[in-house]
Amino acid sequence: EAAVTQSPRSKVAVTGGKVTLSCHQTNNHDYMYWYRQDTGHGLRLIHYSYVADSTEKGDIPDGYKASRPSQENFSLILELASLSQTAVYFCASRQQGWEQYFGPGTRLTVL
Amino acid sequence: QQKVQQSPESLTVSEGAMASLNCTFSDRSSDNFRWYRQHSGKGLEVLVSIFSDGEKEEGSFTAHLNRASLHVFLHIREPQPSDSALYLCAVRDSNYQLIWGSGTKLIIKP
Repeated sequence: EAAVTQSPRSKVAVTGGKVTLSCHQTNNHDYMYWYRQDTGHGLRLIHYSYVADSTEKGDIPDGYKASRPSQENFSLILELASLSQTAVYFCASRQQGWEQYFGPGTRLTVL
Repeated sequence: QQKVQQSPESLTVSEGAMASLNCTFSDRSSDNFRWYRQHSGKGLEVLVSIFSDGEKEEGSFTAHLNRASLHVFLHIREPQPSDSALYLCAVRDSNYQLIWGSGTKLIIKP
């Protein structure tokens, strides 16, 4: 079974502060994704990566940066956290042509 | 670009009665349709994946795909209160990206 872990699982941040969410996968998957989910809604793609040291913008990249320092690790960075970024963030990985495997999610609250 | 919509937004069904959820997509060329379940505050659970027109059953969950009408349905047979959750439809596009619907909140009344 593919394994994707996220840290922290929950975080409270202050408006204007910097937040880094981390994702780690142990499956040698090429692709990694960051999504956000607002309460009671579906997932929206923020950033993704198909190779280390390279990231691509998804559908809602504004206010977020991503970093893929290695095949296993993919970070999402909020340089200046805002109230509107309160959400649950999911990371996922996949190999080419295969299904996406999701992490357990990180609940971010910005106050 | 593929667009995915789900209906209804919320559905209340009595325990044991069939629950039917609808997902509409815009691009027939997609080849992979998936239903997920998410209990409140929890992660995503894959229920059923379907790749061709027709039906696919996984336990009490049946997906029904009709590309011509741009619909994929999820039927839940004899739902229990523990099936109360947010149900999400996801469609894989030609770039292998998942496009998500906004979900149907299902409540099963005892």
